[in-house]
Amino acid sequence: DAGVIQSPRHEVTEMGQEVTLRCKPISGHDYLFWYRQTMMRGLELLIYFNNNVPIDDSGMPEDRFSAKMPNASFSTLKIQPSEPRDSAVYFCASAASRNIQYFGAGTRLSVL
Amino acid sequence: AQSVTQLGSHVSVSEGALVLLRCNYSSSVPPYLFWYVQYPNQGLQLLLKYTTGATLVKGINGFEAEFKKSETSFHLTKPSAHMSDAAEYFCAVSVTGANSKLTFGKGITLSVRP
Repeated sequence: DAGVIQSPRHEVTEMGQEVTLRCKPISGHDYLFWYRQTMMRGLELLIYFNNNVPIDDSGMPEDRFSAKMPNASFSTLKIQPSEPRDSAVYFCASAASRNIQYFGAGTRLSVL
Repeated sequence: AQSVTQLGSHVSVSEGALVLLRCNYSSSVPPYLFWYVQYPNQGLQLLLKYTTGATLVKGINGFEAEFKKSETSFHLTKPSAHMSDAAEYFCAVSVTGANSKLTFGKGITLSVRP
């Protein structure tokens, strides 16, 4: 298996633009997680899905952030409008029931 | 709510020396505990986990950790450091299982001197 695949690996955008991050989980996994990593706050869970349904979105910082999982093999995290403080590395992870989380390589987002 | 404390942000050891990375947790219920490693420009990779049973758990690359309930600790050790161990290490806790919400510590950067 190719593992969790995230795209793009790097994204540079200007403040106010819409940003969409993408994640393809490992086939057969029914949990999907979105994390954000910054120097100041470390690793934070933003939202997670089970069987494509959002379970806990209490970590989503504000209404500018939204996440969807239209099917078992694809998820997006959207920021609209983006702000410089959104600059971070965003990780996606997936897991099978009662098993560990596998992380993607991350998307490094820079908002200028 | 659960939390994880990793004291210090950086540890430096000589190649061949003992590695000890400390982790303390706070949880109102029996925790699941994890150590992850992150190499530069990569995602996190699981080193080892404690769920139930034996309190000394062995992971990949020669690492092990011991769950001590009385000390609320889950320190990571390796008898002999290798240059390839240089990375960032994260301790994490979950109270409902491996595939639900993980709360991470701030992470510790391990440097290995030749």
